[in-house]
Amino acid sequence: EDQVTQSPEALRLQEGESSSLNCSYTVSGLRGLFWYRQDPGKGPEFLFTLYSAGEEKEKERLKATLTKKESFLHITAPKPEDSATYLCAVRRGQNFVFGPGTRLSVLP
Amino acid sequence: NAGVTQTPKFQVLKTGQSMTLQCAQDMNHEYMSWYRQDPGMGLRLIHYSVGAGITDQGEVPNGYNVSRSTTEDFPLRLLSAAPSQTSVYFCASNPDIERGTQYFGPGTRLLVL
Repeated sequence: EDQVTQSPEALRLQEGESSSLNCSYTVSGLRGLFWYRQDPGKGPEFLFTLYSAGEEKEKERLKATLTKKESFLHITAPKPEDSATYLCAVRRGQNFVFGPGTRLSVLP
Repeated sequence: NAGVTQTPKFQVLKTGQSMTLQCAQDMNHEYMSWYRQDPGMGLRLIHYSVGAGITDQGEVPNGYNVSRSTTEDFPLRLLSAAPSQTSVYFCASNPDIERGTQYFGPGTRLLVL
């Protein structure tokens, strides 16, 4: 069964303290892994798509990487405005399976 | 463009009542979907549509109906509300399923008493 897990469940960082979020997946024939950001009370906002192992994407302080079994979202020198829940998802046929998310708090 | 809009923002129902959650998009996207989000469980797909007149079930379709008569609108109907349907509901649209770039609405918070 296709499954997506994320760790840690919650992460508290000091401003400037770099770290990584993990997304592990089991899916037959990966057709894309996707990262989203979700602010409290709002809908998720698309960040990245990764298709194959070794691929990397960057946006400001965020960099997403992909291996055959997992993806990492690296956050370099985070700022308080990076506080949000980060979701990953994989494509399964015509739809998408989401992980439970990592709730990131960046303290000033 | 307004993007993806959802109404209402918040709704309280009694067990057994029915209602329709509205979703509209003005981006001419063929793919639309409905998710529910519950604490600790992430987003779970209820129903999706790959174009007008075409719908299919997702992971948790029981108790919900959808229809897609136009490209713009994708309403979700709760037939007989149950407390287990208390959740936050998100509608999303996608211009290209290969890229996974889903645009989500602001959500509808539903409480079933």
